[in-house]
Amino acid sequence: GAGVSQTPSNKVTEKGKYVELRCDPISGHTALYWYRQSLGQGPEFLIYFQGTGAADDSGLPNDRFFAVRPEGSVSTLKIQRTERGDSAVYLCASSLGSGRAYEQYFGPGTRLTVT
Amino acid sequence: GEDVEQSLFLSVREGDSSVINCTYTDSSSTYLYWYKQEPGAGLQLLTYIFSNMDMKQDQRLTVLLNKKDKHLSLRIADTQTGDSAIYFCAVPNSNSGYALNFGKGTSLLVTP
Repeated sequence: GAGVSQTPSNKVTEKGKYVELRCDPISGHTALYWYRQSLGQGPEFLIYFQGTGAADDSGLPNDRFFAVRPEGSVSTLKIQRTERGDSAVYLCASSLGSGRAYEQYFGPGTRLTVT
Repeated sequence: GEDVEQSLFLSVREGDSSVINCTYTDSSSTYLYWYKQEPGAGLQLLTYIFSNMDMKQDQRLTVLLNKKDKHLSLRIADTQTGDSAIYFCAVPNSNSGYALNFGKGTSLLVTP
């Protein structure tokens, strides 16, 4: 079946602009995660949704970052007033349930470049 | 959060075995994962091991877990050029149980 998809694959924006990154999880997966991967680093957790609610947003770096999942499927990560330090690959993952026993399947990521 | 440490680079010759090592700090981890990332691609789950096991074999892959030393390794037998990629060790966050803590990744280069 289809995996996790993310759009756009690449996004170049100017400093100070607003961007939205979209994630389509695997059908039937109730848990959805956003991670950020900077160059030369492993992915870092940003936020986790169980259904429609953000169960844990402790990884969001500041209040410029926000994510929604209104219908419990597609999620959008929103970044306001982008800064050059926001440049990274933003990865989305989904799993059938939450907790240690459930494998997370990752999308190909959105490469965000802030100029 | 937990620290997950990996060596950054490994170079092997085609046909040899590769061993990628990982150490972690959280002792409550139940599942430990290995992901593979090829250039320009997302993370692919390679294999995982449950913490009550000390070894798991899956075709060319062998995972060894030493819980006492908090050491995890991934052995790839008969390494092929197609195995060249970045390999990440990932451990569930002890507070949340669902967020994964990743190492920085080991870049494996397989030469002919």
